[in-house]
Amino acid sequence: EDQVTQSPEALRLQEGESSSLNCSYTVSGLRGLFWYRQDPGKGPEFLFTLYSAGEEKEKERLKATLTKKESFLHITAPKPEDSATYLCAVQAGYDMRFGAGTRLTVKP
Amino acid sequence: GAGVSQSPSNKVTEKGKDVELRCDPISGHTALYWYRQSLGQGLEFLIYFQGNSAPDKSGLPSDRFSAERTGGSVSTLTIQRTQQEDSAVYLCASSLSITGSYEQYFGPGTRLTVT
Repeated sequence: EDQVTQSPEALRLQEGESSSLNCSYTVSGLRGLFWYRQDPGKGPEFLFTLYSAGEEKEKERLKATLTKKESFLHITAPKPEDSATYLCAVQAGYDMRFGAGTRLTVKP
Repeated sequence: GAGVSQSPSNKVTEKGKDVELRCDPISGHTALYWYRQSLGQGLEFLIYFQGNSAPDKSGLPSDRFSAERTGGSVSTLTIQRTQQEDSAVYLCASSLSITGSYEQYFGPGTRLTVT
């Protein structure tokens, strides 16, 4: 059965303190791994898609990487506005399986 | 351009009543998905459509849940005889196609509260 596990569940950082979020997955025939950001009361907002091991993508202070078993979302010098829940999802068949998310809080 | 829209944004209903939730996908997106997100939980996949067809309904939690899509666009998720455990945020997403691996774009959700 496809599984997606995100860690940590919650992360508190000081502004400027870089860190990484982890997404471990077990899936047969990965078609894509997706990262989303979700703010309270809103739907998830698409960030990145990664398709194969070794692939990396960047957007502002965020960088996503992918191996055969896990993906990392690296946050460099975060700002308070980066506070949100970050969701990882894998697609093997036609549906997308989501992890429970990491709730990130960045304090000024 | 316009994103995915959902209505209503909030719905409070009494236990046992039926509710209909609506989703308008991004124009040109042939794939449409429904998810449920309970408080503090991850997203639970319910059903997807490619065009008007829903090949796999196994993700629906019970036979009280049904969904349809007409004209390859608007979709309606119907919950009959609502129960308190149905309280959650129902999210709709659309993507260019089921085939391939395209990102899904989400609507703001409908918060359903069953009293």
